[in-house]
Amino acid sequence: GESVGLHLPTLSVQEGDNSIINCAYSNSASDYFIWYKQESGKGPQFIIDIRSNMDKRQGQRVTVLLNKTVKHLSLQIAATQPGDSAVYFCAEASSGNTPLVFGKGTRLSVIA
Amino acid sequence: GAVVSQHPSRVICKSGTSVKIECRSLDFQATTMFWYRQFPKQSLMLMATSNEGSKATYEQGVEKDKFLINHASLTLSTLTVTSAHPEDSSFYICSARAHRGNTEAFFGQGTRLTVV
Repeated sequence: GESVGLHLPTLSVQEGDNSIINCAYSNSASDYFIWYKQESGKGPQFIIDIRSNMDKRQGQRVTVLLNKTVKHLSLQIAATQPGDSAVYFCAEASSGNTPLVFGKGTRLSVIA
Repeated sequence: GAVVSQHPSRVICKSGTSVKIECRSLDFQATTMFWYRQFPKQSLMLMATSNEGSKATYEQGVEKDKFLINHASLTLSTLTVTSAHPEDSSFYICSARAHRGNTEAFFGQGTRLTVV
């Protein structure tokens, strides 16, 4: 189930199930999006990215969907594993060499 | 992927002292590096954009005289927290792009600063 904690919403899934993590972005000028995974005490780790001229991109066990109409981004993780437990952030950037702006993040907890 | 190394990973300092954090791109040149701060259970907040050979661009609300950024070469940016106070205790993370424009940004492993 999904719940909203003090700061980070948490998504709990059973091992082997698929996970869907959602992100709403605010800048309609954003044209580049990335999903990062962050484990405790570490820096963000790149998972997958997508540009605004696409609405779907697949990687190994992960899929990113982009809906520009409603400014929504999602990350799907297939066959979720205990090692997937972490905090996941979406990040966006507009054109040019602009910095990434991070979303609030979602904590994924995998139940073995 | 490209590697960004950040040092130190942890530091404890006394109130009033200064702390320097280094961010190095190990296998690529980074004309631009970014510094973020992250408080517990929160997201990464951009502090400043560090440009090689020029002054850093600070985000609103970030004191440039307190958080000194130097980007002296294409592979090194430093963040110095001056006159540190306990409220400066946080997780500081740098990132860099290997190419201009919107491409993947690589992150350092972060520095946990504790001011006592």
